[in-house]
Amino acid sequence: NAGVMQNPRHLVRRRGQEARLRCSPMKGHSHVYWYRQLPEEGLKFMVYLQKENIIDESGMPKERFSAEFPKEGPSILRIQQVVRGDSAAYFCASSPFSGKEETQYFGPGTRLLVL
Amino acid sequence: DAKTTQPPSMDCAEGRAANLPCNHSTISGNEYVYWYRQIHSQGPQYIIHGLKNNETNEMASLIITEDRKSSTLILPHATLRDTAVYYCIVRVREYGNKLVFGAGTILRVKS
Repeated sequence: NAGVMQNPRHLVRRRGQEARLRCSPMKGHSHVYWYRQLPEEGLKFMVYLQKENIIDESGMPKERFSAEFPKEGPSILRIQQVVRGDSAAYFCASSPFSGKEETQYFGPGTRLLVL
Repeated sequence: DAKTTQPPSMDCAEGRAANLPCNHSTISGNEYVYWYRQIHSQGPQYIIHGLKNNETNEMASLIITEDRKSSTLILPHATLRDTAVYYCIVRVREYGNKLVFGAGTILRVKS
């Protein structure tokens, strides 16, 4: 059973461009979380999605950031008009739907560098 | 904000047991203790979790005090590859409850 997959692993963008980060959850997992780790800082929650629904986006910056998890395909974290402060590692985690309890499993992350 | 307190760093000799403490004095009755680790900016790796009983799996053991105000993660035979940042997190084990990461403990395993 393959783990959580994220691509690209590294992404370089110039200021003002768009960044699209993809996350494929583990097989059978229908819950996805996105976290961000700024340089020399801890991991911070951004958004929680189920298939076709954003459940909690309390950690998302108010502007330029959006996330989706369509019925088919990976979850996408989209950053429009990137700025240097967006440079960070973005991690996706998934969890199975198996009743009430759940554990999150993380992918390898996407390192975004904004020039 | 993180509801746990961990020492910022620890050293351990290769082959010896690594005992990582965590204080969570305000833990609620329905909150679990989770441990994750992050090896050199890789994705966080789930290690173990528990509610009140001690737990063991192929990676580690988790010892939770009877009052549940503190716990210890034990790596029985640390190797160089166990060098990582270890995070102790308390959370209700339900969907949608985000993980709140603190600074963690940097464990350095030395030969």
